[in-house]
Amino acid sequence: RKEVEQDPGPFNVPEGATVAFNCTYSNSASQSFFWYRQDCRKEPKLLMSVYSSGNEDGRFTAQLNRASQYISLLIRDSKLSDSATYLCVVNILAGDYKLSFGAGTTVTVRA
Amino acid sequence: DAMVIQNPRYQVTQFGKPVTLSCSQTLNHNVMYWYQQKSSQAPKLLFHYYDKDFNNEADTPDNFQSRRPNTSFCFLDIRSPGLGDAAMYLCATSRVLGTGGLQPQHFGDGTRLSIL
Repeated sequence: RKEVEQDPGPFNVPEGATVAFNCTYSNSASQSFFWYRQDCRKEPKLLMSVYSSGNEDGRFTAQLNRASQYISLLIRDSKLSDSATYLCVVNILAGDYKLSFGAGTTVTVRA
Repeated sequence: DAMVIQNPRYQVTQFGKPVTLSCSQTLNHNVMYWYQQKSSQAPKLLFHYYDKDFNNEADTPDNFQSRRPNTSFCFLDIRSPGLGDAAMYLCATSRVLGTGGLQPQHFGDGTRLSIL
């Protein structure tokens, strides 16, 4: 089983739609979770950290479900500029300092 | 602004000719990483340092070496680049939290390596 797994998509949605996707992780002791976005031929950029209680940043909501070992990202009122690949990143082992990446979920928002 | 700086942005080298990529940071982060990313794939970790402690991924080819002479700088050396080494190379930094977790990584802009 991979350490971090994501649905690759692509998710093709109209402007204004809501889109959500998950990421599962293998180690129940994992502590730190992040969502990054990556545009074509650019470096990954932090979208948001994911906290135990869930957190929201504008149109973006992240949730952590420890019991089922997944995190989720929900994008409300999608904009064309939200088109990107969203990478799930997990610090699998506390004290290991290594962050494992999912393969990414591609989202395309169409006009 | 504090940041992670990679040089050069684009590097072209000949098959088998050694190349060095550099990364510097002004964030004073104690963890630094080198990733290789090929088209439509997730970044693949090559190495990471916690301070001067070096960690090599098991599947990182021997052709790849790294140096971290001080907190601010880290280098990736590719001793004999092959065509399969053409990729984007990303440097990232992070800081260990008191709880043992990690702050989010900050990435440099990357170096795109081409092999002739």
